[in-house]
Amino acid sequence: AQSVTQLDSQVPVFEEAPVELRCNYSSSVSVYLFWYVQYPNQGLQLLLKYLSGSTLVKGINGFEAEFNKSQTSFHLRKPSVHISDTAEYFCAVTGAGRRALTFGSGTRLQVQP
Amino acid sequence: EAGVAQSPRYKIIEKRQSVAFWCNPISGHATLYWYQQILGQGPKLLIQFQNNGVVDDSQLPKDRFSAERLKGVDSTLKIQPAKLEDSAVYLCASSSTGSGGPTDTQYFGPGTRLTVL
Repeated sequence: AQSVTQLDSQVPVFEEAPVELRCNYSSSVSVYLFWYVQYPNQGLQLLLKYLSGSTLVKGINGFEAEFNKSQTSFHLRKPSVHISDTAEYFCAVTGAGRRALTFGSGTRLQVQP
Repeated sequence: EAGVAQSPRYKIIEKRQSVAFWCNPISGHATLYWYQQILGQGPKLLIQFQNNGVVDDSQLPKDRFSAERLKGVDSTLKIQPAKLEDSAVYLCASSSTGSGGPTDTQYFGPGTRLTVL
């Protein structure tokens, strides 16, 4: 079975500061990892995904994530956040032979001026 | 390109009533998903269609939930009868290729927020 743990339910940060949103997963098979963002009253939007190859993945809006197999982590980072980055962020996993995404419980990023 | 459309956006019903949600995926997308997102949790897959066939409905409470995909395009999700614990946001997503595999990007609609009183 697969599972995703997002360790922080809320992350407050000041504008222009760096941020890291943590994600750990468990899976008995090789994995594919995703980060989605959900703005208020909107659907989820894909930020980035790791399928294979380079462990550092760059996504939209200046976000990047690093796949660490030994630590079973896929943390999301941004060097300088903006007010507009305030949203809910979800980490998700699926694996070879599976089709459905398993989501974490989400991290609410609150960017303060 | 138009996104995934869902209606209604909000619905309030009393327990034991019936309710239906509608989803129109992105044109040409073969795979369609329904997710349930309970407040404070991540989305959970209810059912996945590939064209008009069911690929995965292992987490669909079949005693009260049903879904169909008409002619491999639009889809409806029905709850009959509703329970208090069904209060959630119901998200529809679609992806482009017929494989529905992990490399397909899923595009999500805005969701339908259901409140059961």
